[in-house]
Amino acid sequence: AQKVTQAQTEISVVEKEDVTLDCVYETRDTTYYLFWYKQPPSGELVFLIRRNSFDEQNEISGRYSWNFQKSTSSFNFTITASQVVDSAVYFCALYPMNRDDKIIFGKGTRLHILP
Amino acid sequence: GAGVSQTPSNKVTEKGKYVELRCDPISGHTALYWYRQSLGQGPEFLIYFQGTGAADDSGLPNDRFFAVRPEGSVSTLKIQRTERGDSAVYLCASSPDAGNTGELFFGEGSRLTVL
Repeated sequence: AQKVTQAQTEISVVEKEDVTLDCVYETRDTTYYLFWYKQPPSGELVFLIRRNSFDEQNEISGRYSWNFQKSTSSFNFTITASQVVDSAVYFCALYPMNRDDKIIFGKGTRLHILP
Repeated sequence: GAGVSQTPSNKVTEKGKYVELRCDPISGHTALYWYRQSLGQGPEFLIYFQGTGAADDSGLPNDRFFAVRPEGSVSTLKIQRTERGDSAVYLCASSPDAGNTGELFFGEGSRLTVL
């Protein structure tokens, strides 16, 4: 089965705290991509990052970092020194390239950054 | 603009009516996707076009739903005999080529409310 699980439905943290959003995926494919998308209140999904299944190197982009571990089928997302503008719903997604041409999304984690 | 455009942004209709939702993808993008997002859920795949043809329509919930892309650009999602359970945000996304990396560019969605 192809599946993405985001166990955290909703998280609230105080501004400037670090926060990690969890993502666990299931796929039988050996070749796949993983994504994180941000959905602010405006509704438009915004691409944040794409990760190839062959590349487990962690990535940092400003205050954002991603930890990809194939051994645990996880692709977690950390925001460092959170800001109010980070408040949004964040979706983890899986693209199993050998099987489908569609991206499968998790149910999302709603993140509240409190001032 | 240069992004994916969806119209209408909001549509309220009565149960049993026919509805059309339009998506204008990014110019030159050959792949076009329709997703449906219910409240508190992640986007759920409906159908995907590569050019003019529907490459995968496995996500359409039943035969009341139909989508076309006659010239390989603009797409229309059609819903017949609408039901209250069809109420959701319908998201359209395009991609330069579905066979590459799966990164999708989303529109802001069409919110459908069936009374």
